[in-house]
Amino acid sequence: GAGVSQSPRYKVAKRGQDVALRCDPISGHVSLFWYQQALGQGPEFLTYFQNEAQLDKSGLPSDRFFAERPEGSVSTLKIQRTQQEDSAVYLCASSHTGELFFGEGSRLTVL
Amino acid sequence: AQSVAQPEDQVNVAEGNPLTVKCTYSVSGNPYLFWYVQYPNRGLQFLLKYITGDNLVKGSYGFEAEFNKSQTSFHLKKPSALVSDSALYFCAVRDPPTDSWGKLQFGAGTQVVVTP
Repeated sequence: GAGVSQSPRYKVAKRGQDVALRCDPISGHVSLFWYQQALGQGPEFLTYFQNEAQLDKSGLPSDRFFAERPEGSVSTLKIQRTQQEDSAVYLCASSHTGELFFGEGSRLTVL
Repeated sequence: AQSVAQPEDQVNVAEGNPLTVKCTYSVSGNPYLFWYVQYPNRGLQFLLKYITGDNLVKGSYGFEAEFNKSQTSFHLKKPSALVSDSALYFCAVRDPPTDSWGKLQFGAGTQVVVTP
């Protein structure tokens, strides 16, 4: 596709539910990043893939957060047993030469 | 650990006037510095970056930024602001060489409001 595509754009979950957020990167981009952006804050790094390998997951806030990219293209960020503090916009970005191309984000609201 | 600070939550400027958005950084080595812009309901867009070389970096949409090592600053500038420049601007830093290119530390953002 022309850009990074994320779905769903908006997700409302009840506390305790599991959610899955999808990222479809720009075709051919080797690197894929997930960021979390809380209201009024800058994005914060969560995790990074190079092809299918997850090279850095140091930003994942707890073991309830899990990301995968099994075929080196589409990636899914899964949050188990959601909590209110998980409410944020989750941004996906892909890169080929160093510049990050961001998607529009998935806004998660946990009630 | 590296960090960036954007001291202004909001910058107001009249159309046609110069625009400056401030950013200071703290890193352990030589910094890689970036500016991104976020329009409403749009993804973050890359504006420019400083890696090495000339301290004045030119980027997209007529923006430029000046790297100042002694003041640890990387202020974003535009000589003549447009109403369409109204957006949220983020400064970011990567602390080489251990991190990947895309692992950035972002500032909290500065809202720019350009009035006609």
